[in-house]
Amino acid sequence: RKEVEQDPGPFNVPEGATVAFNCTYSNSASQSFFWYRQDCRKEPKLLMSVYSSGNEDGRFTAQLNRASQYISLLIRDSKLSDSATYLCVVNGGTSYGKLTFGQGTILTVHP
Amino acid sequence: EAGVTQFPSHSVIEKGQTVTLRCDPISGHDNLYWYRRVMGKEIKFLLHFVKESKQDESGMPNNRFLAERTGGTYSTLKVQPAELEDSGVYFCASSPPSSSYEQYFGPGTRLTVT
Repeated sequence: RKEVEQDPGPFNVPEGATVAFNCTYSNSASQSFFWYRQDCRKEPKLLMSVYSSGNEDGRFTAQLNRASQYISLLIRDSKLSDSATYLCVVNGGTSYGKLTFGQGTILTVHP
Repeated sequence: EAGVTQFPSHSVIEKGQTVTLRCDPISGHDNLYWYRRVMGKEIKFLLHFVKESKQDESGMPNNRFLAERTGGTYSTLKVQPAELEDSGVYFCASSPPSSSYEQYFGPGTRLTVT
């Protein structure tokens, strides 16, 4: 079983749509949670950290459920520029520097 | 401020040869990490330096891989001898002394072993 599981998609949505991605993680000792964005043939870039209370950054909302070991990302009013791979990432728990990545969810926003 | 840089951007070598990848972290970042993504798989952790010391090398696949960070600045990752399954993209990341969570990634080195 993978440590971080994501639906690989692809998700194809029109501009203006709302889209949600989900992720589950297996290590209950994980302490920090993130969504990264990766454009084709580029490096991953931090999109936002995820907190238990839920957090919002403009059109993006992230939620964490520690009991279910479940993380989500909601994108409202999708833009063409949102097309990318979205990576669910958790801190390794006992190894504080190690990030564990999901395989990524591909999003394509079309006109 | 300059970001994390990696050299080379691409490398094509034959099985059995040696390749050395270089990473220059963001200035002042004590933490330096190596990750790699092989085709069709997720990005995986290789190791973590704090300054010149190896904090965690649990992700290094085998003894054909050697990472160094002499002087606590740039780092090198040597693969010797390279095997076909070593092909992939090798990412370096760094983070400031106060945080290991927000890691800034370099553009990666795409390694192809033929």
